[in-house]
Amino acid sequence: GAVVSQHPSWVICKSGTSVKIECRSLDFQATTMFWYRQFPKQSLMLMATSNEGSKATYEQGVEKDKFLINHASLTLSTLTVTSAHPEDSSFYICSAQAGGHNEQFFGPGTRLTVL
Amino acid sequence: GENVEQHPSTLSVQEGDSAVIKCTYSDSASNYFPWYKQELGKGPQLIIDIRSNVGEKKDQRIAVTLNKTAKHFSLHITETQPEDSAVYFCAARVETSYDKVIFGPGTSLSVIP
Repeated sequence: GAVVSQHPSWVICKSGTSVKIECRSLDFQATTMFWYRQFPKQSLMLMATSNEGSKATYEQGVEKDKFLINHASLTLSTLTVTSAHPEDSSFYICSAQAGGHNEQFFGPGTRLTVL
Repeated sequence: GENVEQHPSTLSVQEGDSAVIKCTYSDSASNYFPWYKQELGKGPQLIIDIRSNVGEKKDQRIAVTLNKTAKHFSLHITETQPEDSAVYFCAARVETSYDKVIFGPGTSLSVIP
């Protein structure tokens, strides 16, 4: 199957700083990428959907000014957590899809810890 | 919007026994139902999926059934092995322009050797 990578795999930062997480589709072009957040022992919650070259669509309750998403190319999307706080500590997972109605491939996730 | 429920939340079986996880969905527009396996600290991996024009699909020890009328779908794992231990998520996809996947709450499966 197709491969999606995330970088970094884990990050620890101080409260108030910003953190950028990258999601890459390694062997296919992803027209759509999705960002999820997963708290311990909970399910994946969709944060936003991004299409290459256009603004991301955020789910209800997700602050677009706090979670900046950029999908500048067909193989790369970034999520920037701005002014991170301890409650933002979570497992962030991206997925990528090539065109509509196709399988979504998930990345390995990024563990964010905000001190 | 779509809501996916999943039962049980935890499931323990003896190695070699079968495991069944059941899900329901709310939006009749959903027509794609993937199942994911997530191991600790990793992203989810697709293990099987089914579309609404099919009632059952099987892949070796894994099978999925779909009752579109009742909005139920189930995962069946036969001859369970310790490496099947993980969290399993059912999901439903609403065929909109963004094709977003809505996940169920998950089932933690433990296979006891």
